[in-house]
Amino acid sequence: GDSVTQMEGPVTLSEEAFLTINCTYTATGYPSLFWYVQYPGEGLQLLLKATKADDKGSNKGFEATYRKETTSFHLEKGSVQVSDSAVYFCALRSFSGYSTLTFGKGTMLLVSP
Amino acid sequence: EAGVTQSPTHLIKTRGQQATLRCSPISGHTSVYWYQQALGLGLQFLLWYDEGEERNRGNFPPRFSGRQFPNYSSELNVNALELEDSALYLCASSLPARNTEAFFGQGTRLTVV
Repeated sequence: GDSVTQMEGPVTLSEEAFLTINCTYTATGYPSLFWYVQYPGEGLQLLLKATKADDKGSNKGFEATYRKETTSFHLEKGSVQVSDSAVYFCALRSFSGYSTLTFGKGTMLLVSP
Repeated sequence: EAGVTQSPTHLIKTRGQQATLRCSPISGHTSVYWYQQALGLGLQFLLWYDEGEERNRGNFPPRFSGRQFPNYSSELNVNALELEDSALYLCASSLPARNTEAFFGQGTRLTVV
């Protein structure tokens, strides 16, 4: 079945540091890939998406590229801010069978001033 | 345009009671997903409804059930509540196309005492 593997957290960074959160997936066919962010006490917000190989999703300085050859969708940001502190979830939506939304376990990011 | 709305925001129940959680999807969305997020853990998939039918179910006991109404809103029922059912319950909705993202509500915080 479909699965998503994320690096375990927490990831602790100083403000303006470079961020990478790794995400790899297993799925049948060519899924759509997503990154969601959850701020404390809130629901999930879509951060960015990519629907086909080599697509790059971007939003608010975050980027992720759909790499079919390595089945990866790593999240990056060049300079993090304290306000980026949150839990980040990688997810996929498969085209095979009944298409549900499969999430990774989430990675907590803590940014200090 | 209104987002996904969930009610109530908070719910406190006694062990053994029943809880009913409600979700209104974004207008035009026919798919509704339910997830459980226990404290400190990732999202556990509960149920997926589309066009009024249950399309998929996660690894939860039968006392977790739900339905989708003709207007695509949805209800999650949890019978015979147990202490470990205490969690944030998140609802998401999406268009039926398989490459589209899901949008989440703010969640219902269920506390079982």
